[in-house]
Amino acid sequence: EAQVTQNPRYLITVTGKKLTVTCSQNMNHEYMSWYRQDPGLGLRQIYYSMNVEVTDKGDVPEGYKVSRKEKRNFPLILESPSPNQTSLYFCASSLGLAGVLGEQFFGPGTRLTVL
Amino acid sequence: KNQVEQSPQSLIILEGKNCTLQCNYTVSPFSNLRWYKQDTGRGPVSLTIMTFSENTKSNGRYTATLDADTKQSSLHITASQLSDSASYICVVSAASGTYKYIFGTGTRLKVLA
Repeated sequence: EAQVTQNPRYLITVTGKKLTVTCSQNMNHEYMSWYRQDPGLGLRQIYYSMNVEVTDKGDVPEGYKVSRKEKRNFPLILESPSPNQTSLYFCASSLGLAGVLGEQFFGPGTRLTVL
Repeated sequence: KNQVEQSPQSLIILEGKNCTLQCNYTVSPFSNLRWYKQDTGRGPVSLTIMTFSENTKSNGRYTATLDADTKQSSLHITASQLSDSASYICVVSAASGTYKYIFGTGTRLKVLA
């Protein structure tokens, strides 16, 4: 089944404890992206990748890191999480940039709470 | 500033009724506009995509319209069902060659029996 998977789905952690949220897609998509979703703000892009070893900042990159060593995986790293990073996180991938190819397929989400 | 605004914020209708959700955008240059459906606790799923030259597109009971001149789009749901209860998100792509999408904050629809 074509899908985007994220792990973990739920995570409660404490301030400053490094964590990684994994994202994997099995559709051979070039493009991958991380978003956070907060009430009243909609989805905001954190980082994106247009190919292996090619990543770039989105609208809210502060406090996050990413890597794209393989085409299928795009982990999100929080080196020192803070309470303002408590949010619902989504990974997405697409085959291309524009038109039909630009349709993004989203993972199931990771709900992160930082105490 | 590129923005996508949706209205209403929330909507409650009875099962079987029709409804229309609105999306206004100020994204330039415009590439395409998508409507996504997001069930509670799940990731968004694409319903339709509209390019500059298209003004109507249907997907079952969902019909999207686009007026590129006024920069407005609507999503019409016909004969609503309980399973239509979800958030509907309007997303606009800028024709900038980068992986940038501008998301609206969504309309939360509740369909009552």
